[in-house]
Amino acid sequence: EIVLTQSPGTLSLSPGERVTLSCRASQSVSSSSVAWYQHKRGQAPRLLMYGASSRATGVSDRFSGSGSGTDFTLTISRLEPEDFALYYCHQYGNSPRTFGQGTKVEIK
Amino acid sequence: QVQLVQSGAEAKEPGASVKLSCRTSGYTFPNFYVHWVRQAPGQGLQWMGVINPSGSSTSYARRFQGRVTVTGDTSTSTVYMELSSLSSDDTAVYYCVREDALSYHLDYWGQGTLVTVSS
Repeated sequence: EIVLTQSPGTLSLSPGERVTLSCRASQSVSSSSVAWYQHKRGQAPRLLMYGASSRATGVSDRFSGSGSGTDFTLTISRLEPEDFALYYCHQYGNSPRTFGQGTKVEIK
Repeated sequence: QVQLVQSGAEAKEPGASVKLSCRTSGYTFPNFYVHWVRQAPGQGLQWMGVINPSGSSTSYARRFQGRVTVTGDTSTSTVYMELSSLSSDDTAVYYCVREDALSYHLDYWGQGTLVTVSS
């Protein structure tokens, strides 16, 4: 199974800052089948990106994704207060599907 | 609009089984696979299995093989997940999630069901 390693584990940032989250796969992910989710306590995860770089419907253009093979990133251009949350990457190109352990973006 | 509404919280004793439901609406039920994903306290997300509602074929994560059964009811557009031989390690929030039919990513999530296993 593909292991996804997200880094860093926690980021302490201020609103307005730019942030880049990393997701590294233990082997190449087929067809860049990587998605990113935002998860807030008590809520269901929210889809942000799929296919590594396609933004989900309704997601702000402050969010962007990139990468291929084994290295993928999620970038938030300017942090808004509602962006402070947990972020997970997910690969669905290889069975079984797997998730990263998450990166927490917290207010500094 | 697409909705997945899950059943309420459950409290079970070790060794018991639990059966969760996920009632879907807002789309053509047979046309979209539905997955189950769980999150234990302090842990990340863990994929459990998937069902193709149109033909009821299923696939499960190896670690849950033999303990998990996912079924679907096309008459009510509902998916069920039964997990047996529960232990405290199964205490988690369980989510049902729809798979996008074109791109295969997980798009719409249920609100989650907390299962607590304790004696």
